[in-house]
Amino acid sequence: QVQLQESGPGLVKPSQTLSLTCTVSGGSINAGTYYWTWIRQSAGKALEWVGHIHTSGTTKYSASLEGRIVISMDTSKNQFSLGLRSVTAADTAVYYCARQFTGWSPGFDSWGQGALVTVSS
Amino acid sequence: DIQMTQSPYSLAASVGDTVTITCRGVESINPYLNWYQHRPGRAPQLIIRSASRLQSGVPSRFSGSASGTEFTLTITHLQPEDFATYFCQESFRTPPNTFGQGTRLEI
Repeated sequence: QVQLQESGPGLVKPSQTLSLTCTVSGGSINAGTYYWTWIRQSAGKALEWVGHIHTSGTTKYSASLEGRIVISMDTSKNQFSLGLRSVTAADTAVYYCARQFTGWSPGFDSWGQGALVTVSS
Repeated sequence: DIQMTQSPYSLAASVGDTVTITCRGVESINPYLNWYQHRPGRAPQLIIRSASRLQSGVPSRFSGSASGTEFTLTITHLQPEDFATYFCQESFRTPPNTFGQGTRLEI
């Protein structure tokens, strides 16, 4: 069974870059056809899709974050990463990495436990 | 984006009760909706796919149904481990997909 685990700083200063890594275990990140996804949840709000990288390496980002976000994959380490530049307090959230399968009614069948990132000076 | 309205925001129930949680869209996306359970400190878990398909290993007291633009998650004979947050996710089109606000099921 595939397991995901987020890691990275829990505190980021405003205007700096948020960096998180998701380590995948129990399966290869470049096997099959999946979207390796970042999702976040701010206090009191619904989960928000942030962006993903497909097994092929193709990326797609939230329109609201376009220009500030980069998602990359390191197959040698079985990891994928999120970089979000010029953060503000609005980027404070619990960040989840997840695997989304493709095809019929694509859902997220594996998730990390989440990593709280606070943007504050 | 396809907006999903989930209700109620929170729900109190007792062990052995039956509860229902609803997600409603503004357009028909039947059966493209998934349900998740999220227990505190754990990773969210996909429990129902395509409105009514129970995922492997999920107890049969969980069920899903759909009618028009409304999707329902029903949990019968509530067990202590069922007290968690539940949220829906539309899966009508390729990503990005939107989520419901979540329902906190409390004892």
